[in-house]
Amino acid sequence: EVQLVQSGGGLVQPGGSLRLSCAASGFTFTNHWMHWVRQAPGSGLEWVSRIDFRGTISTYADSVRGRFTISRDNARNTLYLQMNSLRVEDTAVYYCARDLIWNAPDYWGQGTLVTVSS
Amino acid sequence: LVMTQTPLSLSVTPGQAASISCKSSQSLLHSDGRTYLFWYLQKPGQSPQLLIHEVSNRFSGVPDRFSGSGSGTDFTLKISRVETEDVGVYYCMQGIHLPQITFGPGTKLEIK
Repeated sequence: EVQLVQSGGGLVQPGGSLRLSCAASGFTFTNHWMHWVRQAPGSGLEWVSRIDFRGTISTYADSVRGRFTISRDNARNTLYLQMNSLRVEDTAVYYCARDLIWNAPDYWGQGTLVTVSS
Repeated sequence: LVMTQTPLSLSVTPGQAASISCKSSQSLLHSDGRTYLFWYLQKPGQSPQLLIHEVSNRFSGVPDRFSGSGSGTDFTLKISRVETEDVGVYYCMQGIHLPQITFGPGTKLEIK
């Protein structure tokens, strides 16, 4: 069974940092690109970032480029999102997701809430 | 690239059909001949789940009352007989026009 179990998140002040983790199991982690997608309160889905099989290629949404860094540890089957210089507008539920084909996720983590507030 | 959906909300009696339209500002037909349009459902309080991939292919475990159709820039998700468990927000999505991966604004389905 494919499982993506997320951890991290919480309350952070503007300008602060946070790291999200996503532990994968039930599939061959190195066979899939991975994504982070977020959802602000009461809003729709916004793609954040993606990373290739080996962790050598990554791309970002304009809204987070230069502040967020996606990475993966294939030995630990874990995906990460390092979030720096956080802004109030980064407040959202963050989901990790496995890529099916052409950047379309098939399986999603349970989501983790990040709240940026003073 | 912009993805639009209509309607943004709909209320359906159980057993009745429902239809959601998704339009892309650019064609989703890839040079490999396949069209990469996807549909998701986010049930209340849950993570999104993949319903349909590549326009019309139901994902594993998705009931056959869900069907997708369309081509190029115009697509439709149909639910033949809505059930109470189908409530939630439906999103279309594209991922071939990089660098931006784009979801539609969502269509909220409620039961009458």
